Amino acid sequence: AQKITQTQPGMFVQEKEAVTLDCTYDTSDPSYGLFWYKQPSSGEMIFLIYQGSYDQQNATEGRYSLNFQKARKSANLVISASQLGDSAMYFCAMTLNQAGTALIFGKGTTLSVSS
Amino acid sequence: GAVVSQHPSRVICKSGTSVKIECRSLDFQATTMFWYRQFPKQSLMLMATSNEGSKATYEQGVEKDKFLINHASLTLSTLTVTSAHPEDSSFYICSARQPSGGIHNEQFFGPGTRLTVL
Repeated sequence: AQKITQTQPGMFVQEKEAVTLDCTYDTSDPSYGLFWYKQPSSGEMIFLIYQGSYDQQNATEGRYSLNFQKARKSANLVISASQLGDSAMYFCAMTLNQAGTALIFGKGTTLSVSS
Repeated sequence: GAVVSQHPSRVICKSGTSVKIECRSLDFQATTMFWYRQFPKQSLMLMATSNEGSKATYEQGVEKDKFLINHASLTLSTLTVTSAHPEDSSFYICSARQPSGGIHNEQFFGPGTRLTVL
Protein backbone atom coordinates (compact mmCIF):
# COMPACT_ATOMS: atom_id res chain seq x y z
CA ALA A 1 0.00 0.00 0.00
CA GLN A 2 1.07 3.55 -0.64
CA LYS A 3 1.50 6.14 2.07
CA ILE A 4 2.23 9.85 2.12
CA THR A 5 3.55 11.59 5.22
CA GLN A 6 3.52 15.32 5.82
CA THR A 7 4.88 16.09 9.27
CA GLN A 8 4.37 19.87 9.33
CA PRO A 9 0.80 20.76 10.32
CA GLY A 10 1.58 24.45 9.94
CA MET A 11 4.32 26.61 8.50
CA PHE A 12 4.85 30.34 8.77
CA VAL A 13 6.88 32.45 6.37
CA GLN A 14 7.31 36.11 5.55
CA GLU A 15 6.65 37.55 2.14
CA LYS A 16 9.49 37.17 -0.36
CA GLU A 17 11.12 34.40 1.63
CA ALA A 18 11.44 30.81 0.46
CA VAL A 19 9.76 27.95 2.28
CA THR A 20 10.08 24.18 2.09
CA LEU A 21 7.15 21.88 2.75
CA ASP A 22 8.16 18.34 3.59
CA CYS A 23 6.75 15.16 2.13
CA THR A 24 7.89 11.57 2.38
CA TYR A 25 6.25 8.65 0.67
CA ASP A 26 6.27 4.91 0.78
CA THR A 27 5.58 2.43 -1.98
CA SER A 28 7.09 -0.77 -3.25
CA ASP A 29 6.02 -0.05 -6.82
CA PRO A 30 8.80 1.38 -9.00
CA SER A 31 6.49 3.39 -11.24
CA TYR A 32 4.60 6.21 -9.58
CA GLY A 33 3.91 9.91 -9.71
CA LEU A 34 4.15 12.52 -7.00
CA PHE A 35 2.01 15.64 -6.94
CA TRP A 36 1.58 18.78 -4.93
CA TYR A 37 -1.76 20.54 -4.69
CA LYS A 38 -2.76 23.84 -3.15
CA GLN A 39 -6.15 24.16 -1.53
CA PRO A 40 -7.27 27.69 -0.62
CA SER A 41 -10.20 28.32 1.69
CA SER A 42 -12.57 28.04 -1.27
CA GLY A 43 -11.85 24.31 -1.35
CA GLU A 44 -10.73 23.95 -4.94
CA MET A 45 -7.74 21.72 -5.57
CA ILE A 46 -5.08 23.54 -7.57
CA PHE A 47 -2.41 21.40 -9.22
CA LEU A 48 1.06 22.82 -8.64
CA ILE A 49 3.73 20.39 -9.74
CA TYR A 50 4.41 16.80 -10.70
CA GLN A 51 7.40 14.47 -10.42
CA GLY A 52 7.56 11.06 -12.05
CA SER A 53 9.50 8.29 -10.39
CA TYR A 54 11.75 7.90 -13.43
CA ASP A 55 12.37 11.59 -13.94
CA GLN A 56 16.05 12.42 -13.62
CA GLN A 57 15.58 16.14 -13.10
CA ASN A 58 13.73 17.82 -10.28
CA ALA A 59 10.48 19.34 -11.49
CA THR A 60 10.06 23.10 -11.56
CA GLU A 61 7.00 25.24 -12.31
CA GLY A 62 7.56 28.94 -11.90
CA ARG A 63 8.10 29.65 -8.19
CA TYR A 64 7.52 26.00 -7.32
CA SER A 65 10.19 23.35 -7.38
CA LEU A 66 10.15 19.81 -6.15
CA ASN A 67 13.20 18.47 -4.36
CA PHE A 68 13.01 14.79 -5.31
CA GLN A 69 15.28 12.48 -3.37
CA LYS A 70 14.33 9.02 -4.49
CA ALA A 71 16.62 7.09 -2.18
CA ARG A 72 15.16 8.90 0.80
CA LYS A 73 11.65 8.70 -0.65
CA SER A 74 11.13 12.37 -0.18
CA ALA A 75 9.45 14.94 -2.42
CA ASN A 76 9.65 18.30 -0.73
CA LEU A 77 8.00 21.35 -2.25
CA VAL A 78 9.99 24.55 -2.34
CA ILE A 79 8.16 27.83 -2.85
CA SER A 80 10.46 30.70 -3.65
CA ALA A 81 9.62 34.35 -3.03
CA SER A 82 6.46 33.67 -1.02
CA GLN A 83 3.43 35.84 -1.66
CA LEU A 84 0.43 36.58 0.54
CA GLY A 85 -1.71 34.63 -1.91
CA ASP A 86 0.30 31.51 -1.17
CA SER A 87 -1.45 31.18 2.18
CA ALA A 88 -3.40 27.94 1.88
CA MET A 89 -3.38 24.24 2.66
CA TYR A 90 -0.82 22.22 0.68
CA PHE A 91 -1.16 18.53 0.00
CA CYS A 92 1.42 16.07 -1.22
CA ALA A 93 -0.07 13.12 -3.09
CA MET A 94 0.97 10.11 -5.06
CA THR A 95 -0.49 7.67 -7.52
CA LEU A 96 0.77 4.57 -9.22
CA ASN A 97 1.19 4.69 -12.97
CA GLN A 98 -1.59 2.21 -13.51
CA ALA A 99 -4.95 2.90 -15.04
CA GLY A 100 -7.67 3.45 -12.51
CA THR A 101 -5.52 4.16 -9.47
CA ALA A 102 -6.47 7.04 -7.22
CA LEU A 103 -4.40 9.77 -5.67
CA ILE A 104 -3.47 9.15 -2.06
CA PHE A 105 -2.98 12.30 -0.02
CA GLY A 106 -0.90 13.31 2.95
CA LYS A 107 -2.47 15.13 5.89
CA GLY A 108 -1.50 18.49 4.51
CA THR A 109 0.42 21.54 5.67
CA THR A 110 -1.17 24.90 6.32
CA LEU A 111 1.07 27.66 5.04
CA SER A 112 0.65 31.17 6.39
CA VAL A 113 2.45 34.01 4.64
CA SER A 114 2.74 37.31 6.47
CA SER A 115 3.74 40.75 5.29
CA GLY B 1 -6.15 21.28 -18.51
CA ALA B 2 -9.33 19.28 -18.55
CA VAL B 3 -12.41 20.54 -16.74
CA VAL B 4 -14.51 18.70 -14.20
CA SER B 5 -17.69 20.20 -12.87
CA GLN B 6 -19.63 19.33 -9.76
CA HIS B 7 -23.19 20.14 -8.86
CA PRO B 8 -24.44 21.40 -6.52
CA SER B 9 -21.62 23.41 -4.98
CA ARG B 10 -23.44 23.67 -1.68
CA VAL B 11 -26.43 21.87 -0.26
CA ILE B 12 -28.24 21.97 3.06
CA CYS B 13 -30.71 19.22 3.82
CA LYS B 14 -32.70 17.80 6.67
CA SER B 15 -31.66 14.67 8.47
CA GLY B 16 -33.09 11.56 6.84
CA THR B 17 -33.24 12.91 3.32
CA SER B 18 -31.10 11.82 0.38
CA VAL B 19 -28.79 14.08 -1.57
CA LYS B 20 -27.38 13.51 -5.05
CA ILE B 21 -24.11 15.06 -6.17
CA GLU B 22 -23.12 15.08 -9.83
CA CYS B 23 -19.61 15.02 -11.21
CA ARG B 24 -19.08 15.68 -14.92
CA SER B 25 -16.01 15.68 -17.11
CA LEU B 26 -16.73 18.46 -19.57
CA ASP B 27 -14.14 18.02 -22.29
CA PHE B 28 -12.89 14.48 -21.99
CA GLN B 29 -14.21 11.00 -21.38
CA ALA B 30 -13.45 9.55 -18.00
CA THR B 31 -13.70 5.83 -17.60
CA THR B 32 -12.68 6.25 -13.98
CA MET B 33 -13.77 8.86 -11.48
CA PHE B 34 -12.93 9.10 -7.82
CA TRP B 35 -14.92 10.39 -4.87
CA TYR B 36 -13.22 11.92 -1.87
CA ARG B 37 -14.52 13.25 1.41
CA GLN B 38 -12.83 15.98 3.38
CA PHE B 39 -13.64 17.08 6.93
CA PRO B 40 -12.58 20.57 8.04
CA LYS B 41 -8.83 21.04 8.22
CA GLN B 42 -8.24 17.41 7.30
CA SER B 43 -6.99 15.60 4.27
CA LEU B 44 -8.92 14.18 1.35
CA MET B 45 -9.96 10.63 2.05
CA LEU B 46 -10.74 8.38 -0.88
CA MET B 47 -14.25 7.00 -0.59
CA ALA B 48 -14.63 5.04 -3.78
CA THR B 49 -13.49 4.51 -7.32
CA SER B 50 -16.24 4.83 -9.88
CA ASN B 51 -15.90 2.84 -13.09
CA GLU B 52 -18.11 3.49 -16.09
CA GLY B 53 -20.54 0.67 -16.65
CA SER B 54 -19.61 -1.32 -13.58
CA LYS B 55 -19.96 -1.25 -9.83
CA ALA B 56 -17.94 1.17 -7.81
CA THR B 57 -15.08 -0.01 -5.64
CA TYR B 58 -15.42 1.27 -2.11
CA GLU B 59 -12.64 1.89 0.36
CA GLN B 60 -12.64 0.04 3.64
CA GLY B 61 -15.03 1.56 6.11
CA VAL B 62 -17.21 3.32 3.53
CA GLU B 63 -20.78 2.04 3.52
CA LYS B 64 -21.78 1.28 -0.04
CA ASP B 65 -25.47 1.28 0.83
CA LYS B 66 -25.19 4.75 2.28
CA PHE B 67 -23.03 6.27 -0.42
CA LEU B 68 -24.49 5.11 -3.72
CA ILE B 69 -22.29 5.70 -6.73
CA ASN B 70 -23.45 5.45 -10.31
CA HIS B 71 -21.20 5.97 -13.32
CA ALA B 72 -23.69 5.65 -16.12
CA SER B 73 -21.73 7.40 -18.85
CA LEU B 74 -18.18 8.34 -19.71
CA THR B 75 -18.78 11.89 -18.56
CA LEU B 76 -21.00 11.56 -15.51
CA SER B 77 -20.69 9.98 -12.09
CA THR B 78 -23.15 10.58 -9.28
CA LEU B 79 -22.83 10.16 -5.53
CA THR B 80 -26.04 9.82 -3.55
CA VAL B 81 -25.86 10.18 0.20
CA THR B 82 -28.87 8.22 1.40
CA SER B 83 -30.68 8.98 4.65
CA ALA B 84 -28.20 11.69 5.45
CA HIS B 85 -27.32 12.47 9.06
CA PRO B 86 -25.38 15.36 10.60
CA GLU B 87 -22.21 13.26 10.72
CA ASP B 88 -22.34 13.06 6.90
CA SER B 89 -21.80 16.80 6.72
CA SER B 90 -18.57 17.24 4.84
CA PHE B 91 -16.89 18.51 1.69
CA TYR B 92 -17.20 15.99 -1.14
CA ILE B 93 -14.82 16.25 -4.08
CA CYS B 94 -14.72 14.21 -7.24
CA SER B 95 -11.85 13.78 -9.64
CA ALA B 96 -11.43 12.21 -13.03
CA ARG B 97 -8.50 10.65 -14.77
CA GLN B 98 -8.24 10.53 -18.54
CA PRO B 99 -8.25 7.01 -19.97
CA SER B 100 -4.73 7.30 -21.30
CA GLY B 101 -3.53 8.70 -18.03
CA GLY B 102 -3.33 12.21 -19.37
CA ILE B 103 -0.28 14.36 -18.97
CA HIS B 104 1.68 12.94 -16.07
CA ASN B 105 -1.32 10.81 -15.06
CA GLU B 106 -2.91 13.93 -13.69
CA GLN B 107 -6.31 13.80 -12.08
CA PHE B 108 -8.65 16.70 -12.59
CA PHE B 109 -10.72 17.79 -9.64
CA GLY B 110 -14.20 19.18 -9.45
CA PRO B 111 -14.77 22.28 -7.33
CA GLY B 112 -16.35 20.26 -4.54
CA THR B 113 -19.74 20.09 -2.85
CA ARG B 114 -20.24 21.26 0.69
CA LEU B 115 -22.97 19.21 2.34
CA THR B 116 -24.59 20.32 5.56
CA VAL B 117 -27.12 18.01 7.19
CA LEU B 118 -29.32 19.64 9.82
